[in-house]
Amino acid sequence: GAVVSQHPSWVICKSGTSVKIECRSLDFQATTMFWYRQFPKQSLMLMATSNEGSKATYEQGVEKDKFLINHASLTLSTLTVTSAHPEDSSFYICSADSGSTDTQYFGPGTRLTVL
Amino acid sequence: SQELEQSPQSLIVQEGKNLTINCTSSKTLYGLYWYKQKYGEGLIFLMMLQKGGEEKSHEKITAKLDEKKQQSSLHITASQPSHAGIYLCGAGYSGGYQKVTFGTGTKLQVIP
Repeated sequence: GAVVSQHPSWVICKSGTSVKIECRSLDFQATTMFWYRQFPKQSLMLMATSNEGSKATYEQGVEKDKFLINHASLTLSTLTVTSAHPEDSSFYICSADSGSTDTQYFGPGTRLTVL
Repeated sequence: SQELEQSPQSLIVQEGKNLTINCTSSKTLYGLYWYKQKYGEGLIFLMMLQKGGEEKSHEKITAKLDEKKQQSSLHITASQPSHAGIYLCGAGYSGGYQKVTFGTGTKLQVIP
């Protein structure tokens, strides 16, 4: 099956710093990738839809200037959490649409802890 | 209110017992996904249902989508400790490259 990787798998940073998370589709091209966040014991909430070569579409309530998304190629999307604060600590998961099966493939997630 | 509701929120069953998890949408679905997640880990794709009345099985897990495409059930037969985890249903409400709206999740524990 299709494989999606994320890097890093976990990161700890100081408040005020920026953190970049990468999402890669390893064996297929993904025109569209999605970014979700998950708080402890809660379900996944979609943050934004990342489209290759164009601006990301953000869900209501998600600050686009705080969560910068870049989808520079058909296999890579990045999420940068700018000026991170403790309330940004969460589990961030990306997914990629293979386009051929209507199935989204999810990455393993990145756990962000902001001190 | 939540577009996608799952029930029950949590479930504890004895090994070998059967169980069912339900997922109900307030709107007609384009597609319904079932995923499994170990807490703090990524999602494992189980099945996708798209046609009204469709039923799919994989090993001991069977998922059905009702004719109206608003309700799905996930049934596990003869549960094992390896089935433990969080089960999430996800709904696509349009075709093509679609975002998935997730249900509230069901935490399953299987007692040996």
